[in-house]
Amino acid sequence: SAVISQKPSRDICQRGTSLTIQCQVDSQVTMMFWYRQQPGQSLTLIATANQGSEATYESGFVIDKFPISRPNLTFSTLTVSNMSPEDSSIYLCSVEDQGMNTEAFFGQGTRLTVV
Amino acid sequence: KQEVTQIPAALSVPEGENLVLNCSFTDSAIYNLQWFRQDPGKGLTSLLLIQSSQREQTSGRLNASLDKSSGRSTLYIAASQPGDSATYLCAAPTDSWGKLQFGAGTQVVVTP
Repeated sequence: SAVISQKPSRDICQRGTSLTIQCQVDSQVTMMFWYRQQPGQSLTLIATANQGSEATYESGFVIDKFPISRPNLTFSTLTVSNMSPEDSSIYLCSVEDQGMNTEAFFGQGTRLTVV
Repeated sequence: KQEVTQIPAALSVPEGENLVLNCSFTDSAIYNLQWFRQDPGKGLTSLLLIQSSQREQTSGRLNASLDKSSGRSTLYIAASQPGDSATYLCAAPTDSWGKLQFGAGTQVVVTP
């Protein structure tokens, strides 16, 4: 099973600033997924990140607000830009290390509070 | 589009009782269904993955079943313990690329 390290584990940020979240996987994976979990809610997919190509964003999420980098097969970053209190959520990265539609593994999440 | 529903939203049981958690999905052409556990403020821990070709999957005290015709999966936790207190989420892929659609979760409290 893949082991995913996510940094930071939590942060408190001022509105209008940006935060970059890092996701490191212990094996090479084709796709990495970024999810958001708003307080009291379930997970919603933000985007899918493939190495060497632009990330694919879900409806309601845009690249200017959530730019994603995927420089290699084991690493990705998600930036939350120009933050507002509504961005306070847990952000999680996920991979399926055996290929598509196999078991999904998640990082421990980044708990973001915007004040 | 695959829709996933979990009922009830919350459940409280005394220690030792068996837990039964329900998950419904709308598209029977499902690739797989996965159950996760989430502790407060934390990430997700994978519990069980049931492939489309399987009827059930077991791991220790956990057993998950999959009935594609009725659009249901059930997670059974035998002889519950206070350490089983957490939120349990089920998820199914929305397409062949592995994007997951999650249910809202069932928050479980096991009282000593």
